Amino acid sequence: GAVVSQHPSWVICKSGTSVKIECRSLDFQATTMFWYRQFPKQSLMLMATSNEGSKATYEQGVEKDKFLINHASLTLSTLTVTSAHPEDSSFYICSARPPYEGEKLFFGSGTQLSVL
Amino acid sequence: SQELEQSPQSLIVQEGKNLTINCTSSKTLYGLYWYKQKYGEGLIFLMMLQKGGEEKSHEKITAKLDEKKQQSSLHITASQPSHAGIYLCGADKGTNAGGTSYGKLTFGQGTILTVHP
Repeated sequence: GAVVSQHPSWVICKSGTSVKIECRSLDFQATTMFWYRQFPKQSLMLMATSNEGSKATYEQGVEKDKFLINHASLTLSTLTVTSAHPEDSSFYICSARPPYEGEKLFFGSGTQLSVL
Repeated sequence: SQELEQSPQSLIVQEGKNLTINCTSSKTLYGLYWYKQKYGEGLIFLMMLQKGGEEKSHEKITAKLDEKKQQSSLHITASQPSHAGIYLCGADKGTNAGGTSYGKLTFGQGTILTVHP
């Protein structure tokens, strides 16, 4: 069964609004989670590393103020797309590593964001 | 930065045929992951390879990592329509001082597999 849960699966919003995406680890505590973005027919690109209790680490070229990450608990990381614009429309997906699975990384089901 | 090149970009096979997908890195691979994805859906973990020469199998899928740890292959035996999807290889960006991989993956561009019944 799934070990990483993501919500919502899809969201449509108006330009200028903010959208929050949740990533939860099921049955394990994740001090670190990872956020990726995937544009249509392209591969996944790492956006940032979410760290429980501290600031997220962003990859080069990713706007920190645009993509706010909060990892307030050991089982929940949230990605907020602020002031969303049509070019932010994408598939967002998170991953985490259960401690009982060695170095395996599991991904959530992803969130399709469409900004009108 | 590490780049992963997957080949072929797309593959169409008849059910029952064997196939191989390759993943080549410009740098040494610390951890090589194989995932399967369907459009707009999450990634399904298939296998993870770490050691040079390592080979793992699950059901009809076998993944190998070469001795130099710069190339991996995914082989599907007797393909079925259920194998159809996008296959992605992902490589870890490195390890920490303790040897544990970071968990940050760079992905190849994916291979689209179609299996005709």
